[in-house]
Amino acid sequence: QQQVKQSPQSLIVQKGGISIINCAYENTAFDYFPWYQQFPGKGPALLIAIRPDVSEKKEGRFTISFNKSAKQFSLHIMDSQPGDSATYFCAASKGGTSYGKLTFGQGTILTVHP
Amino acid sequence: NAGVTQTPKFRILKIGQSMTLQCAQDMNHNYMYWYRQDPGMGLKLIYYSVGAGITDKGEVPNGYNVSRSTTEDFPLRLELAAPSQTSVYFCASSDRDKNSGANVLTFGAGSRLTVL
Repeated sequence: QQQVKQSPQSLIVQKGGISIINCAYENTAFDYFPWYQQFPGKGPALLIAIRPDVSEKKEGRFTISFNKSAKQFSLHIMDSQPGDSATYFCAASKGGTSYGKLTFGQGTILTVHP
Repeated sequence: NAGVTQTPKFRILKIGQSMTLQCAQDMNHNYMYWYRQDPGMGLKLIYYSVGAGITDKGEVPNGYNVSRSTTEDFPLRLELAAPSQTSVYFCASSDRDKNSGANVLTFGAGSRLTVL
């Protein structure tokens, strides 16, 4: 059972555009929602994360929007750059000692054209 | 600071063979994890450990075993390799973030395993 559903599978954006990736979750016990960025041949790396007590978190060009009632969250990349081309994974976990036990979405391959 | 080191990077196994994927971290993290990544499927947790001597199953543990005799090392053992175990395996370690209280994972570069 896929508890975190991510869309789209792939996304092509022009340089300077906005990239938007969406995720939906089912388990209401989740209370930590990170986004990971993965470049080819590398392991995923934490990009930005949010807890459900806030509806938005911004770090530079990256913003997470969180809708607790809809059980959805999304990643917005403003002014997308070719260097942002990577695979992005949303994830979710429960609290306490379960924080590292992440349930990942399927991943989105982002390509930013110059 | 090496972070999380995985060996080997690539390996081809025949059906029924066994092998161990090595993982070492030098950050003194208590938590360590093994995930597998399959195309279009995201990453799935195989096993995890909250400290030396303590391990537990994740979402997809069948066909694998782990041990955690030291804080630094967390090897993953594949017994009787099967084609379904063809995947990219990622080891990760974590510590608690002071601001969020969450465990922020640091991943290794991965080990690509093919079972023929």
